[in-house]
Amino acid sequence: GAVVSQHPSWVICKSGTSVKIECRSLDFQATTMFWYRQFPKQSLMLMATSNEGSKATYEQGVEKDKFLINHASLTLSTLTVTSAHPEDSSFYICSANSMIAFEQYFGPGTRLTVT
Amino acid sequence: QQQVKQSPQSLIVQKGGISIINCAYENTAFDYFPWYQQFPGKGPALLIAIRPDVSEKKEGRFTISFNKSAKQFSLHIMDSQPGDSATYFCAASMDSGGSNYKLTFGKGTLLTVNP
Repeated sequence: GAVVSQHPSWVICKSGTSVKIECRSLDFQATTMFWYRQFPKQSLMLMATSNEGSKATYEQGVEKDKFLINHASLTLSTLTVTSAHPEDSSFYICSANSMIAFEQYFGPGTRLTVT
Repeated sequence: QQQVKQSPQSLIVQKGGISIINCAYENTAFDYFPWYQQFPGKGPALLIAIRPDVSEKKEGRFTISFNKSAKQFSLHIMDSQPGDSATYFCAASMDSGGSNYKLTFGKGTLLTVNP
């Protein structure tokens, strides 16, 4: 149990375009989902926290207009990188908290490359 | 300000040996301390976690030791195997002030187990 999926697993896009990444909790309902960014050989950097049906809470320094987060249901959250630039190239990982447990489970990640 | 300090940054152990990774935290409000294992190109996987009401938790070859007064916790991997070679992250979280169990991560330890 406690499986979180992400789609796509990798994506290449051109500078100036937008990219949407989906995060789904497959076998549990997630009250809260988190989005992280990870650069090579570094730790995870929390970008934002999202709760179903409400606006996401962004960490300091994260542009909310650039990284749009929608938590449409208890099993789905999406991250849209708008007007992507090469510096947005990174590994994006989502995670989810179960409604009945405080454990946080991570998705497999999405590798974004902006050319 | 880094709230969770992890050491060492890298660790090399011989097969069959014991791997020990240490973490120290500053915020006494933290009440949940998980360890995550991450392989290259994958999302972190929850390995083992502990609450501050116990001093030790063991699951198979993995043990967490927790010292509340010293604000330290550590991961011990017994009989280390080459397949354990990965990056390990300690983390801490709390459920207060609407934090939604937001995780604060250490910087990670790259473990290499030589055959």
